[in-house]
Amino acid sequence: NAGVTQTPKFRILKIGQSMTLQCTQDMNHNYMYWYRQDPGMGLKLIYYSVGAGITDKGEVPNGYNVSRSTTEDFPLRLELAAPSQTSVYFCASTFIDTSNQPQHFGDGTRLSIL
Amino acid sequence: AQSVTQLGSHVSVSEGALVLLRCNYSSSVPPYLFWYVQYPNQGLQLLLKYTSAATLVKGINDFEAEFKKSETSFHLTKPSAHMSDAAEYFCAVSDSGAGSYQLTFGKGTKLSVIP
Repeated sequence: NAGVTQTPKFRILKIGQSMTLQCTQDMNHNYMYWYRQDPGMGLKLIYYSVGAGITDKGEVPNGYNVSRSTTEDFPLRLELAAPSQTSVYFCASTFIDTSNQPQHFGDGTRLSIL
Repeated sequence: AQSVTQLGSHVSVSEGALVLLRCNYSSSVPPYLFWYVQYPNQGLQLLLKYTSAATLVKGINDFEAEFKKSETSFHLTKPSAHMSDAAEYFCAVSDSGAGSYQLTFGKGTKLSVIP
């Protein structure tokens, strides 16, 4: 019963490096989301996807890219890491048909940019 | 645009006391509302959700919330706090416009339970 799985759990990057945060779900959910969480600020939406091949920007997309080639996977890419991207990143998914349903969250990736 | 305000970034209660965490929202359409809990170093877990079926919503671990349209509030309560309730709690409102189904989160309230 895996749910939403995020890897890695922790990572330290140097300024200017790139990396991909992985997210996969096994619940056949159509909607997937990436958030960042900063202390005292709640969660901010970075990107979301309504299905394979369809992605769109959220509130804070600058410095990030996503792709959704399969229903299960929704990776988040940082191309040129900056200190401002130090944060905890959460992936979430849900199934939307005609009504709203709760989102299921992964355990997060804690990323430090030094 | 929708927004959520959680009053009090930190709330402390004694074990066995009433828990009250406040959430006010703004929305131009009837909202979907959620409360999530986050334990240290974990993701968010759903406590309860409001989807217009009933104004008093019961969730897990004896938590409940009441939707009050006139006050645009969705406060979370629990009659008797346990040590295991110490965590951060987030209120969220759903924006279902244009099929995006995005959640807007409050900034969170950290609950401490004093033995």
